Amino acid sequence: AQSVTQPDIHITVSEGASLELRCNYSYGATPYLFWYVQSPGQGLQLLLKYFSGDTLVQGIKGFEAEFKRSQSSFNLRKPSVHWSDAAEYFCAVGGTGNQFYFGTGTSLTVIP
Amino acid sequence: EAGVTQSPTHLIKTRGQQATLRCSPISGHTSVYWYQQALGLGLQFLLWYDEGEERNRGNFPPRFSGRQFPNYSSELNVNALELEDSALYLCASSFTRTQGSAFFGQGTRLTVV
Repeated sequence: AQSVTQPDIHITVSEGASLELRCNYSYGATPYLFWYVQSPGQGLQLLLKYFSGDTLVQGIKGFEAEFKRSQSSFNLRKPSVHWSDAAEYFCAVGGTGNQFYFGTGTSLTVIP
Repeated sequence: EAGVTQSPTHLIKTRGQQATLRCSPISGHTSVYWYQQALGLGLQFLLWYDEGEERNRGNFPPRFSGRQFPNYSSELNVNALELEDSALYLCASSFTRTQGSAFFGQGTRLTVV
């Protein structure tokens, strides 16, 4: 069965510091992997996605993620965090069609 | 181009009542997905409609139902509301055969009192 685990419920980083959000997945075949961001009271915005090919994926807002099949991981990174990055981040694996299985999310707080 | 639109933005209902949530997909998208985002439970897949048919449903009781209209818009109906149905309900739409093309609406906040 498909599942996604985000081990960190909440992370706090200083503005300008680097960021890494962890995501582990369970999926029977080659996974389609996604990272979404949700600002308070808003819907989900796609940051990046991985289907195949280069395992390092570049997304919007300076985010990137690396697919590691051996570790069943798809961690999200950003070299320098901005205050506007404070939000909830969701990792997801794509199932049949575009049905997604989401992790429970990581809440990011950015301190000045 | 308009994104996925959901209405109403907020909905307050009494326990035992019925709630109807609406979703208009992006033009050209034929698939609509519904998700429930309850506090502490993350995003749970509810329903998938494509070409007017229900293609799959998540682990929710039958009082959660819906339909998709010929113009591909969709309704989610929740009967016999319970307090734990209070959540943000998100709709997404996509081209059926293009993986990873799903776009999400802003959601409907349902509060059951």
